[in-house]
Amino acid sequence: SAVISQKPSRDICQRGTSLTIQCQVDSQVTMMFWYRQQPGQSLTLIATANQGSEATYESGFVIDKFPISRPNLTFSTLTVSNMSPEDSSIYLCSVGTDPSQGNIQYFGAGTRLSVL
Amino acid sequence: GNSVTQMEGPVTLSEEAFLTINCTYTATGYPSLFWYVQYPGEGLQLLLKATKADDKGSNKGFEATYRKETTSFHLEKGSVQVSDSAVYFCALSSPGEKLTFGTGTRLTIIP
Repeated sequence: SAVISQKPSRDICQRGTSLTIQCQVDSQVTMMFWYRQQPGQSLTLIATANQGSEATYESGFVIDKFPISRPNLTFSTLTVSNMSPEDSSIYLCSVGTDPSQGNIQYFGAGTRLSVL
Repeated sequence: GNSVTQMEGPVTLSEEAFLTINCTYTATGYPSLFWYVQYPGEGLQLLLKATKADDKGSNKGFEATYRKETTSFHLEKGSVQVSDSAVYFCALSSPGEKLTFGTGTRLTIIP
């Protein structure tokens, strides 16, 4: 399985500011994903980070609020823009294996964000 | 579309008790099934998986069997420990589809 490093691990931010979360993988991977986990809830997919092209966003998530970069096959960033208290969540990146390996996703430790 | 229905929590058990967390699913095609675990303050870890009918996934004393006839993937452990306290997520993935999670079950084991 891949080793996924995510940082920062936690942050406390003021409303109206932006935070960029980094996700680094120890090997080249085709598929990288960003999820949000609101307090006490399950995971919701924000977007698929595509290398060399724009991310693919899920319904309810837009690029202006959650811009994503994927400059290469080992790194991606998620920015949470113009934050409000409702953005307080855990944000997780994951990497996916191909169907021949069972479509497994491996997750980073997450970024715990609190917005005041 | 795909969906996962997971046993509501929270679940509280005494140490060495038998654990079952129910999970049923609806999916197109032949999905892969997973159990993930989230320990307090951590991200998700893959606990076990099964990729075809009748497969049994196992890890750390936990087991789950892919039952296509009942569309189920229940998680079991014969004797739980305090260190098993965590949130458990059932999930599935069909080829070409995104990973779909259940709502999660919070498990607390008391000594």
